[in-house]
Amino acid sequence: DSGVTQTPKHLITATGQRVTLRCSPRSGDLSVYWYQQSLDQGLQFLIQYYNGEERAKGNILERFSAQQFPDLHSELNLSSLELGDSALYFCASSVGTMNTGELFFGEGSRLTVL
Amino acid sequence: DQQVKQNSPSLSVQEGRISILNCDYTNSMFDYFLWYKKYPAEGPTFLISISSIKDKNEDGRFTVFLNKSAKHLSLHIVPSQPGDSAVYFCAASFRNTGKLIFGQGTTLQVKP
Repeated sequence: DSGVTQTPKHLITATGQRVTLRCSPRSGDLSVYWYQQSLDQGLQFLIQYYNGEERAKGNILERFSAQQFPDLHSELNLSSLELGDSALYFCASSVGTMNTGELFFGEGSRLTVL
Repeated sequence: DQQVKQNSPSLSVQEGRISILNCDYTNSMFDYFLWYKKYPAEGPTFLISISSIKDKNEDGRFTVFLNKSAKHLSLHIVPSQPGDSAVYFCAASFRNTGKLIFGQGTTLQVKP
């Protein structure tokens, strides 16, 4: 158990819809990261938050947005969903932002868009 | 632009033998390189890392080698055990950011 909690574990929805994925980081961790893993792909970095502020951005679509709340949990919002958005979405956390790269990952949220 | 590449999608080895997983990268500015292991239905878990100023790091059965001139790193598992069967991701990071850039992963199967 990494200490990172993601909900929901599975989500099935239709094209055009909007969903919200939730992440609670490990106790004490200030940084939250979101990654997307599509079929046969590595993990693609989407976005990082540190103590409530956006810290780094990757290949995140404009239809996607995220935020980190004062209690440090984070939400990833995916809107106008397309078939290609079907993927595993991982949240990870770390203590700080200038670290050696060791992240603690949740179990992921599997999104299926039909 | 794939900055971190794992060109072998899969690898199969016998229990007790050495497993060697390879990874290539293109950006010479990376500060750290890491290996993560992932079992089905679980998130990736950190395995071992190496700083760009070193060429070897060892932790029990796991050793990571870094060849900066070739922009290549490898993970050696000796001896391999059936419980090592998983997907292994190579990743790289820059010191001033926490984000990791991952390779596509290599599925290791260790046969009893």
